[in-house]
Amino acid sequence: QVQLQESGPGLVKPSETLSLTCAVSGYSISSGYYWGWIRQPPGKGLEWIGSIYHSGSTYYNPSLKSRVTISVDTSKNQFSLKLSSVTAADTAVYYCARRGIAAAGSYYFDYWGQGTLVTVSS
Amino acid sequence: SSELTQDPAVSVALGQTVRITCQGDSLRSYYASWYQQKPGQAPVLVIYGKNNRPSGIPDRFSGSSSGNTASLTITGAQAEDEADYYCNSRDSSGNRHVVFGGGTKLTVL
Repeated sequence: QVQLQESGPGLVKPSETLSLTCAVSGYSISSGYYWGWIRQPPGKGLEWIGSIYHSGSTYYNPSLKSRVTISVDTSKNQFSLKLSSVTAADTAVYYCARRGIAAAGSYYFDYWGQGTLVTVSS
Repeated sequence: SSELTQDPAVSVALGQTVRITCQGDSLRSYYASWYQQKPGQAPVLVIYGKNNRPSGIPDRFSGSSSGNTASLTITGAQAEDEADYYCNSRDSSGNRHVVFGGGTKLTVL
């Protein structure tokens, strides 16, 4: 059973960098699939942040690209998110998920972490 | 990039059939995937690809697509199906980006 677990500070000050890690169990990141970060501000919808392959190839949401870095550590079977220069608008539940590819090259996220709330406040 | 549009809210009588739609240019090229999210919980994949259900998802959930519109159909809605539903697709610009719809709140009456 594939499981993902987010970890990191629940409170970050404005202008600082948000850092989260997603630990994967039950599946080796090196075996394939892309791995992604998705966030959800309180009471709002889902927003894709970016995805990474075990080789290190990354794809970022254009609206966040200048502030986002996603990295992978295959030795620890985990991947990480850094979001710089945060503001209150970055307050959200942050999810990590596994991204698969289906018919016609379509994407889906089949396994999700439970999510972690990050609040940006001084 | 692409956008996906969903109706904010839909209601259905218990036991009846409901269709939740998602519109966007990317859906002319790629299938949508659909997620169910209940309050305080992570999203759960219910439909992906042409019309695939992950293990454990009831067969009352089905997906279809026509032109720029993808649909999630629940045949015989149950009280436990009351939730937010999100569609998701690959961006059609060819850059491997991902887009989500704004979500539909389903109320089972």
